[in-house]
Amino acid sequence: DGGITQSPKYLFRKEGQNVTLSCEQNLNHDAMYWYRQDPGQGLRLIYYSQIVNDFQKGDIAEGYSVSREKKESFPLTVTSAQKNPTAFYLCASSIEAGEWEQYFGPGTRLTVT
Amino acid sequence: QKEVEQNSGPLSVPEGAIASLNCTYSDRVSQSFFWYRQYSGKSPELIMSIYSNGDKEDGRFTAQLNKASQYVSLLIRDSQPSDSATYLCARDSGAGSYQLTFGKGTKLSVIP
Repeated sequence: DGGITQSPKYLFRKEGQNVTLSCEQNLNHDAMYWYRQDPGQGLRLIYYSQIVNDFQKGDIAEGYSVSREKKESFPLTVTSAQKNPTAFYLCASSIEAGEWEQYFGPGTRLTVT
Repeated sequence: QKEVEQNSGPLSVPEGAIASLNCTYSDRVSQSFFWYRQYSGKSPELIMSIYSNGDKEDGRFTAQLNKASQYVSLLIRDSQPSDSATYLCARDSGAGSYQLTFGKGTKLSVIP
């Protein structure tokens, strides 16, 4: 079955720790995205990647970092510099950048205390 | 800032009725519009894409786009309790950008 997987589903960390969220896809999609969703808020774009070894900042990139070493994988690191890291993190992909239909993984709910 | 406006709801409709969800946007750069359904605690699921003015039907769902008036709507016919979810409207951010801009969503409740 083709799809996007994110792990873990729930993640708990102490303040001051970096944490990496996994996103893997086997859809052969070129483009991948990371969004953050807070209660009552729309999805906000953190980073996106059009191709391997290339990525761009979205609207709220501060305190986050990404890498795209493989087409299938786009991990997101939430650093200690992110002031309000507790949120629902969603990874998405599309066939190629500029192909607007995006498909989402199941999400990771991060809680930082 | 490209905005997408949705009524947060909740919108309550009886089972079997037509649910009408609306979305307005702030400029005319977008060519593509999308409706996602999001169940509580789950990730968004793409249910409709629309690129041209007019109506697009898929089963019980109809998307309507009016670029001149800058709105897009989603009609759900014969609403079922399983349609109860938050519906997110999204649009592209224009040529040269690879971002989708999402509204905050409308919560729909279908009452048995």
